[in-house]
Amino acid sequence: KAGVTQTPRYLIKTRGQQVTLSCSPISGHRSVSWYQQTPGQGLQFLFEYFSETQRNKGNFPGRFSGRQFSNSRSEMNVSTLELGDSALYLCASSLRQGSIWWDTDTQYFGPGTRLTVL
Amino acid sequence: SQQGEEDPQALSIQEGENATMNCSYKTSINNLQWYRQNSGRGLVHLILIRSNEREKHSGRLRVTLDTSKKSSSLLITASRAADTASYFCATDDGSNFGNEKLTFGTGTRLTIIP
Repeated sequence: KAGVTQTPRYLIKTRGQQVTLSCSPISGHRSVSWYQQTPGQGLQFLFEYFSETQRNKGNFPGRFSGRQFSNSRSEMNVSTLELGDSALYLCASSLRQGSIWWDTDTQYFGPGTRLTVL
Repeated sequence: SQQGEEDPQALSIQEGENATMNCSYKTSINNLQWYRQNSGRGLVHLILIRSNEREKHSGRLRVTLDTSKKSSSLLITASRAADTASYFCATDDGSNFGNEKLTFGTGTRLTIIP
């Protein structure tokens, strides 16, 4: 099975622009999560989608948004980019089928998109 | 914010030695996971341990979990140069509704000296 794929792998933008990142989960996985990794803040959860619905959201401003399509592919968008948005953005998918409280499935991560804001 | 704090922040050992890294967290959890990351690339899942488990093994990896102390440890035995990477623990938020929101620790940078 192919792993989680993310496009593009590298991106350079300037302040004020917007950007869209794409994630294709492992075939059959319905849950897709996004994380931001920076040297200062480490790995931080952005949001999670399951069956096209945002189920969890981290503490990020409204400039960060996402969506999930019927084929489970997901996109995240950052509007009005700031220098501090420079980071590695990681997408993860899991096989979660429902909401059984103890049944956390392994999250498989993609290679990430390196975003640089100038 | 980081729920987990990992200790040590950096560790250098000779190839063949064992490496132990620790993770502490703050709130109740359902599961704890360990991941490896090579030089700013994607995360590779190593092992998941549930809150009702105390120890788990996978190949050269041994993970322990002490929920009373809110801590976990990862032991890598017979280390190899390829084990050089950053290691992170990750916890869920202990909620009752199947939660994919992971909170990561600060990470331990492991260097294996050939």
